Amino acid sequence: NAGVTQTPKFQVLKTGQSMTLQCAQDMNHNSMYWYRQDPGMGLRLIYYSASEGTTDKGEVPNGYNVSRLNKREFSLRLESAAPSQTSVYFCASSDHPGTGLENSPLHFGNGTRLTVT
Amino acid sequence: AQSVAQPEDQVNVAEGNPLTVKCTYSVSGNPYLFWYVQYPNRGLQFLLKYITGDNLVKGSYGFEAEFNKSQTSFHLKKPSALVSDSALYFCAVRHYGNNRLAFGKGNQVVVIP
Repeated sequence: NAGVTQTPKFQVLKTGQSMTLQCAQDMNHNSMYWYRQDPGMGLRLIYYSASEGTTDKGEVPNGYNVSRLNKREFSLRLESAAPSQTSVYFCASSDHPGTGLENSPLHFGNGTRLTVT
Repeated sequence: AQSVAQPEDQVNVAEGNPLTVKCTYSVSGNPYLFWYVQYPNRGLQFLLKYITGDNLVKGSYGFEAEFNKSQTSFHLKKPSALVSDSALYFCAVRHYGNNRLAFGKGNQVVVIP
């Protein structure tokens, strides 16, 4: 039972390089999310996708783009990495809020540790 | 906008003693409240939630939390802490109709043998 799978687990980039973080879930969830975790700041929402074909900005979207490729997959792209984007990135999924399941908890992947030098 | 405050950076408790992790929230309307736990190098795991009904909710691993509307609090509790409870704990709030979850900054819990 895989749940939410993130790749890669670790990545080191140089300033200006680009990369895509991959996320896939096998729980048939409608909603997917990308968070970043920084010490002392908790988790901050970057982008989310309430359903296949839709994406919306979260708290800290600048410098990122996302693609909801299909119901299972939600990728996060850094077009030109900056040291400020050094963080741990988490993908999560949940049932669609509009189904009356607003109380559904998030299911998280194990994270991608990104260092930008 | 909804927000969560977890006032303590770290909570130290002796094994076998009661554990409390504090959380206060701010949201317009009725809140949906959650606690998550994070072990090293892992994603967050759901512990428990308050949606409506009984103010005392029970969750995984012997944890419970008490919803207090007048104090806008949702403190996490465990009657007898274990060393294995040492982890990072996050409180989160979601407003009805909003599919965004606001997290607190987290509390590191250290259970001393």
